[in-house]
Amino acid sequence: DAGITQSPRHKVTETGTPVTLRCHQTENHRYMYWYRQDPGHGLRLIHYSYGVKDTDKGEVSDGYSVSRSKTEDFLLTLESATSSQTSVYFCAISEPGDRGSYEQYFGPGTRLTVT
Amino acid sequence: EDQVTQSPEALRLQEGESSSLNCSYTVSGLRGLFWYRQDPGKGPEFLFTLYSAGEEKEKERLKATLTKKESFLHITAPKPEDSATYLCAVQALNSGYSTLTFGKGTMLLVSP
Repeated sequence: DAGITQSPRHKVTETGTPVTLRCHQTENHRYMYWYRQDPGHGLRLIHYSYGVKDTDKGEVSDGYSVSRSKTEDFLLTLESATSSQTSVYFCAISEPGDRGSYEQYFGPGTRLTVT
Repeated sequence: EDQVTQSPEALRLQEGESSSLNCSYTVSGLRGLFWYRQDPGKGPEFLFTLYSAGEEKEKERLKATLTKKESFLHITAPKPEDSATYLCAVQALNSGYSTLTFGKGTMLLVSP
């Protein structure tokens, strides 16, 4: 357990509304990540953060923005939700492994439905 | 571009029937290859990291192996509780911020 919580766990929203998902960690990890998981696509990286106020885009960042104003919280915002953003969203942190790699640990996920 | 392909997409086994899952990868220098287990409605759970060809890691009924082009997850005498989706991911040497590239996973169902 890497001490990661996500909120909300489930959300239903309407097309065009803004949505913010929160990832909270309690162990002072520097690196944090947002993924979405869809059938047939697997896990795809949306955005990641390598420190407070330091973020960058991943593979599928269009339509999403992120913010990290403090170490423990990483927020994912859908400025104007679309049905194509219906998905399960996972937050992850990374910790250094044995030989220079960084192992990622995942939160429980948020299931978002855009109607 | 880093790529990960997992096969088969789905596998159904009888309890006790051993088998292997495959993860083929292309990466510009491998920093690590990772295996995860994911149960329905939950986040992926870390299992193993492999670093170089010839390396093996074991955990209970699972054994992961690595070659220069692929990794295998061998499941020996599986039980119904081994049913899950197994994900493979790679991290490249030039991955500046520890990003991973995931495969689409293999869904394993073990029947009693």
